[in-house]
Amino acid sequence: AQSVAQPEDQVNVAEGNPLTVKCTYSVSGNPYLFWYVQYPNRGLQFLLKYITGDNLVKGSYGFEAEFNKSQTSFHLKKPSALVSDSALYFCAVRDIRSNDYKLSFGAGTTVTVRA
Amino acid sequence: GAGVSQSPSNKVTEKGKDVELRCDPISGHTALYWYRQSLGQGLEFLIYFQGNSAPDKSGLPSDRFSAERTGGSVSTLTIQRTQQEDSAVYLCASSFREPPSYEQYFGPGTRLTVT
Repeated sequence: AQSVAQPEDQVNVAEGNPLTVKCTYSVSGNPYLFWYVQYPNRGLQFLLKYITGDNLVKGSYGFEAEFNKSQTSFHLKKPSALVSDSALYFCAVRDIRSNDYKLSFGAGTTVTVRA
Repeated sequence: GAGVSQSPSNKVTEKGKDVELRCDPISGHTALYWYRQSLGQGLEFLIYFQGNSAPDKSGLPSDRFSAERTGGSVSTLTIQRTQQEDSAVYLCASSFREPPSYEQYFGPGTRLTVT
């Protein structure tokens, strides 16, 4: 079984401040981890992924995420948030040993960046 | 290049009618996925295709739901005798198959409203 938890429904930050969106996961084996962003009335847009290698991965639009195996976390971060980063963010996981290819998504975190 | 496209973008139908939702994946992507996004349910996996075959149909909510894929490309999700609880945004995604860890690219979705 695989699952993701995003403990915060909403995150509010001021423009220029650091942004963190939390994600923890549960898998039987090792995880493949992903972050997606969804703007209003749009589909999900891929931001970044962790497959193997460096625990710190960098993605689109200045976002990065750190894989922490001991804490089973994959928090999304951005050093300096922009108003345009306001959107719905989803963390997703897949167990690399799983025979099905579906992603399990968290419930999503709404990020609001105020000017 | 072109992304995943879905049609129609919006569909309003009366309870009991059948609907067909179409997905055109990114050229060269052999894997195709359907998800459903609804309030209170988050993102829910429905079905996965590898080529024209669907190894995993366990996510389909009921036997009123079916999907097919032809020519390893376009896929159609059919909902028969629609119910109000079928109202949701239906998202299609595609990816390369090898390795299956590759990120999935999502279309803009079809918003289905059953009245």
